[in-house]
Amino acid sequence: NAGVTQTPKFQVLKTGQSMTLQCAQDMNHEYMSWYRQDPGMGLRLIHYSVGAGITDQGEVPNGYNVSRSTTEDFPLRLLSAAPSQTSVYFCASSYSWENIQYFGAGTRLSVL
Amino acid sequence: GENVEQHPSTLSVQEGDSAVIKCTYSDSASNYFPWYKQELGKRPQLIIDIRSNVGEKKDQRIAVTLNKTAKHFSLHITETQPEDSAVYFCAASTGTGGFKTIFGAGTRLFVKA
Repeated sequence: NAGVTQTPKFQVLKTGQSMTLQCAQDMNHEYMSWYRQDPGMGLRLIHYSVGAGITDQGEVPNGYNVSRSTTEDFPLRLLSAAPSQTSVYFCASSYSWENIQYFGAGTRLSVL
Repeated sequence: GENVEQHPSTLSVQEGDSAVIKCTYSDSASNYFPWYKQELGKRPQLIIDIRSNVGEKKDQRIAVTLNKTAKHFSLHITETQPEDSAVYFCAASTGTGGFKTIFGAGTRLFVKA
């Protein structure tokens, strides 16, 4: 039982490049979410999903896309990376939207 | 949408003292209030949570209180130890305008030995 697995752990991009952050969970959780963490700003919700095929925007969705084709996977796509997207990204999953969330180890992204 | 404010942003206490962190939320429909602890370089992990039908919950040295009328909730840590040093986040989960958990900005707690 690995919990929530995120890849990669570190990534450096140039402005304008695109990439996908991977997130997978093996707990059969319906609810999954992506957060970004910046100093002094806590965890801000980017996108979330309440089940396969269903996604919705969070607090800061601009510049990011998500999809949920399976219960296990919830990838986050950066369409055209900008320096403002330099951050630590956490994926989380939970049994439901009003339940404990289990976080992945995070991806540290730098955009130059 | 939901907005969660957390105070103080930094808290320094002597080992053995108590620490209190306070949060307020804006959406009266929020009904689940978790607290997460994040050690340096690690992922956030749940330490305690409370639902809207409960006013107080305790787990050993940690307690959380909820005042739904005033829309605020607090984390209390008694007999603090150096290993309690970390960043603590409060959060509120709401079903209004989607199904979201919104976090406060965090409190950095230092426990001095």
